Parts: sequence; C-alpha cells; structure tokens
Amino acid sequence: AQSVAQPEDQVNVAEGNPLTVKCTYSVSGNPYLFWYVQYPNRGLQFLLKYITGDNLVKGSYGFEAEFNKSQTSFHLKKPSALVSDSALYFCAVSPNNNDMRFGAGTRLTVKP
Amino acid sequence: EAGVAQSPRYKIIEKRQSVAFWCNPISGHATLYWYQQILGQGPKLLIQFQNNGVVDDSQLPKDRFSAERLKGVDSTLKIQPAKLEDSAVYLCASSLGPLAGVDTQYFGPGTRLTVL
Repeated sequence: AQSVAQPEDQVNVAEGNPLTVKCTYSVSGNPYLFWYVQYPNRGLQFLLKYITGDNLVKGSYGFEAEFNKSQTSFHLKKPSALVSDSALYFCAVSPNNNDMRFGAGTRLTVKP
Repeated sequence: EAGVAQSPRYKIIEKRQSVAFWCNPISGHATLYWYQQILGQGPKLLIQFQNNGVVDDSQLPKDRFSAERLKGVDSTLKIQPAKLEDSAVYLCASSLGPLAGVDTQYFGPGTRLTVL
C-alpha cells in the first residue's frame, strides 16, 4: 500500500536561513511525488512535482525538492527562507498517476 | 485563468441534518476530485470523476455520502445524514485528465463543515 510520512509536525527557521521539510514515501509502482502548500483559509497550492529524470526538481517561490530513490525520500528545500513562507506544507504521492495520498502536513514557521 | 470555485465556504449544521457542497472546476479540466481534510490531517480522497463517470470512490462512505457530476463540469457532494465526525474541510480539486500525462491537481478554497 502506498503511504507518505512527514516526520516533523513543526519546523522553525530564522529568516534568511535554509529550510528543509522532510518527506518519505512507500509505494509500489512509479512514485510520482508532489509538494503542496496551504495558507490559512485557503486551498492547497501546487509547488512542484517529480515524475522522472533529474533528481532535483525546481518549483514555485524558489522551492526545490530532491528525490532520493534509495532513501525513498523527497525533501523540500529552500536556500533562504522568508517570513511569508510560513504555512502548512503537504507531501503527496500518486503511484502510477492515480490515488493521490497526502502526508499529515508540516507547519513551517519562519521567524524574522 | 479562474481557479476552482467552491460554495459555501462555511456551513454549520446539527447532526442528522443534510448538507450539500458545490464545486466548479477549472474550465477544460476533465478530472474532478473531492477530498475530506480533518483538522491536523492531510486531505483524504473521497471520490474521483473522469468527465461524468466515477473513477474511484473506494473511500467514500456510501451509506451517507453521495456525489454527482451529471454534465461533466460542476459537481455536488452531499452528506445525509451528517455525523459529528464529518466535521472537516471538504476540498474540491480538478486536473486536465489522463491526456496530460502525470496530472497536477488544482484545489479550491474548500468548505469548512461543522456538525454540532
């Protein structure tokens, strides 16, 4: 069965510092992986996705994610965090382009 | 380009009452999804439509939940009768469909349901 784990409920970073939000997955078949961000009282916004090819995927708002097949991970990263990046981040897996499963979410807080 | 529209944004009902949510997907998107997001959890897929046909409703509690997408565009999700544990945000999403390859889903703002 496919699943996604986000091991950290909360991540705190200082503005200007690099950030990492962790995600690991378990899936049979091709792991199509996604990151979404959710701001208060708003729906999920697509950040980036991994399909195949280059393990480093670049997305919106300066975010990127690194696919690591051996560690079954897809961590979200940004070189320099902004206060406006504070939000809830969800990792998701869609094995073979069906049945998307979301992680429980990680709340990112960026402090000035 | 207009995004996914949902209404109402908020709804408060008492248990055993009925409620319906409406979704209008992005124009041209063939696939439509309904998710349930309980506080503190990630979204859980309830049902997926391809045009007006159901692709996956394996996680839909069919004894009380129903959904339709009669003309392959708008969709409604109904709960009848509601239970306390149905309190959640109901998200609608749409995507281009299988011809787009690995599909990206675009989400509406959601409907926050409170069952008292």
